[in-house]
Amino acid sequence: GAVVSQHPSRVICKSGTSVKIECRSLDFQATTMFWYRQFPKQSLMLMATSNEGSKATYEQGVEKDKFLINHASLTLSTLTVTSAHPEDSSFYICSAREGAPEAFFGQGTRLTVV
Amino acid sequence: LAKTTQPISMDSYEGQEVNITCSHNNIATNDYITWYQQFPSQGPRFIIQGYKTKVTNEVASLFIPADRKSSTLSLPRVSLSDTAVYYCLVGEDNYGQNFVFGPGTRLSVLP
Repeated sequence: GAVVSQHPSRVICKSGTSVKIECRSLDFQATTMFWYRQFPKQSLMLMATSNEGSKATYEQGVEKDKFLINHASLTLSTLTVTSAHPEDSSFYICSAREGAPEAFFGQGTRLTVV
Repeated sequence: LAKTTQPISMDSYEGQEVNITCSHNNIATNDYITWYQQFPSQGPRFIIQGYKTKVTNEVASLFIPADRKSSTLSLPRVSLSDTAVYYCLVGEDNYGQNFVFGPGTRLSVLP
């Protein structure tokens, strides 16, 4: 299947700082990318959907000014957690699709805010 | 979006066939049914997808009855490494599809 690379896999940051997570589709052009967060023992929660070249669509309850999403090219989307706080600590996962019904997922990023 | 319902957890033993059923009573005409597998601290992995009847690949089979209001993921002869959470998603084949995950089924394979 198609490969989606997410970086970094693990990051620790201080409270109040910003963290950027990258999501790349390595062998296909991702017209749509999704960002999720997942707390322990829980399912994935969709945060936002982004289409290349347009603004992301955020799910209800997700602060767009706190979770900045940029989908500037067909192979790269970034999620920036601004002014991170300990409650933002979570597992963040991106996925991408080219147009086929299935989406392919990155390996996830474990964010810990101390 | 069609809501899905799955058992929260299942136990099985190595070598057995495991069937996980997903209910999606309000599935729409254009909706596909997709199953993903997730191991701890990893992103979900695509297993199989179907629209109707039966689909089979090298790892699983997907059975979809004529009314498409449910689907069954069948894992033949499971091993310990199949212990994971399995998610059933239902949605359209278009660019606007949001992949919304339900709670999934936590499968534990015992020796």
